[in-house]
Amino acid sequence: GESVGLHLPTLSVQEGDNSIINCAYSNSASDYFIWYKQESGKGPQFIIDIRSNMDKRQGQRVTVLLNKTVKHLSLQIAATQPGDSAVYFCAENLPNFNKFYFGSGTKLNVKP
Amino acid sequence: NAGVTQTPKFRVLKTGQSMTLLCAQDMNHEYMYWYRQDPGMGLRLIHYSVGEGTTAKGEVPDGYNVSRLKKQNFLLGLESAAPSQTSVYFCASSYPERGETEAFFGQGTRLTVV
Repeated sequence: GESVGLHLPTLSVQEGDNSIINCAYSNSASDYFIWYKQESGKGPQFIIDIRSNMDKRQGQRVTVLLNKTVKHLSLQIAATQPGDSAVYFCAENLPNFNKFYFGSGTKLNVKP
Repeated sequence: NAGVTQTPKFRVLKTGQSMTLLCAQDMNHEYMYWYRQDPGMGLRLIHYSVGEGTTAKGEVPDGYNVSRLKKQNFLLGLESAAPSQTSVYFCASSYPERGETEAFFGQGTRLTVV
């Protein structure tokens, strides 16, 4: 669906704390989801992905949770560091189309 | 490998001018995409291509044209630029048949139309 909003939601956390970033996706038929990190002036960078046949996937310091019932994704970052400060986007992909639809993003601000 | 490279990185156009943005990838990816990103918003798909010689419309195709004459290149054209096309443009590529489902992005082109 269309992204709406002139102001990104912002999450401020203290360095060392855990961060949880949430995302609601729009299409119940989406079967693949990705979290991207975008630093200022750069292109989005892949963090972690999950397929719809899973409800949890872990990477290095990051965990993605998928709740298909309510069409909700979350990204958990453990022991948040200043280098994690960025805008985080979730993207959904419909089967057989391989087109990614992005959410509007959440700005993560890590305070030292 | 350079990955996905976009040229130019910055451009200022006058209303009504035309230009072409070039995207090149060296990963032998089949799928390529053009997105635009406006302040405070996510990326919106303009056009995409699932292989050499193919193109298709995305969410916001109006005012843009694309061409994929070579597998490694995906060109985005603005025939008559408008201020509403002021944005940051990102190109991406992927190769789902090879298991590389995630899209790899270029660094972006910041376009201002005055």
